[in-house]
Amino acid sequence: NAGVTQTPKFQVLKTGQSMTLQCAQDMNHEYMSWYRQDPGMGLRLIHYSVGAGITDQGEVPNGYNVSRSTTEDFPLRLLSAAPSQTSVYFCASSSTGRSRTIYFGEGSWLTVV
Amino acid sequence: KQEVTQIPAALSVPEGENLVLNCSFTDSAIYNLQWFRQDPGKGLTSLLLIQSSQREQTSGRLNASLDKSSGRSTLYIAASQPGDSATYLCAVPFGNEKLTFGTGTRLTIIP
Repeated sequence: NAGVTQTPKFQVLKTGQSMTLQCAQDMNHEYMSWYRQDPGMGLRLIHYSVGAGITDQGEVPNGYNVSRSTTEDFPLRLLSAAPSQTSVYFCASSSTGRSRTIYFGEGSWLTVV
Repeated sequence: KQEVTQIPAALSVPEGENLVLNCSFTDSAIYNLQWFRQDPGKGLTSLLLIQSSQREQTSGRLNASLDKSSGRSTLYIAASQPGDSATYLCAVPFGNEKLTFGTGTRLTIIP
């Protein structure tokens, strides 16, 4: 009963490096999304996907890339890390529909120095 | 653009008290509102989802209300316990699949 699994939990990057945050869910959910959480700003949507092969931008997509090749996986790529991307990142998944419950991963703490 | 506000940002109450957390939103054309709980260092856990056609939704000691016309929702916690200490966030949908979150209320229950 894994739910939504994110890796890594903690990561330190140097400015300019690239990396991928992994997200996997085992609930056969169509909808997956990535948020970042910053103090005083709440959670902001980065990218989302409504199914395999379909992705779209959220509120703060710049500097991030996503793909959805399978229903289960939704990786988030930082193309060239910047200190402004220091944040906590959350992956979420749900079925579609207006009464759905949304499940969150436990977060990935990223520091860019 | 939808804006969601939660005031106060932090709240401390003695154990056993009943309390109310507030959530305000600017665009009343929503079809539901969700309340989440976040423990330190953890992800969010969905507590209650209240549909726009409902006025209240209950789960155990939690009761959420929704007044679309005034752009407000409240989360009522009865007989608070130290285990209720956490950050509580509300969220409303924009588009079909996206959520706008409030910044949360950090609740501390004092034993």
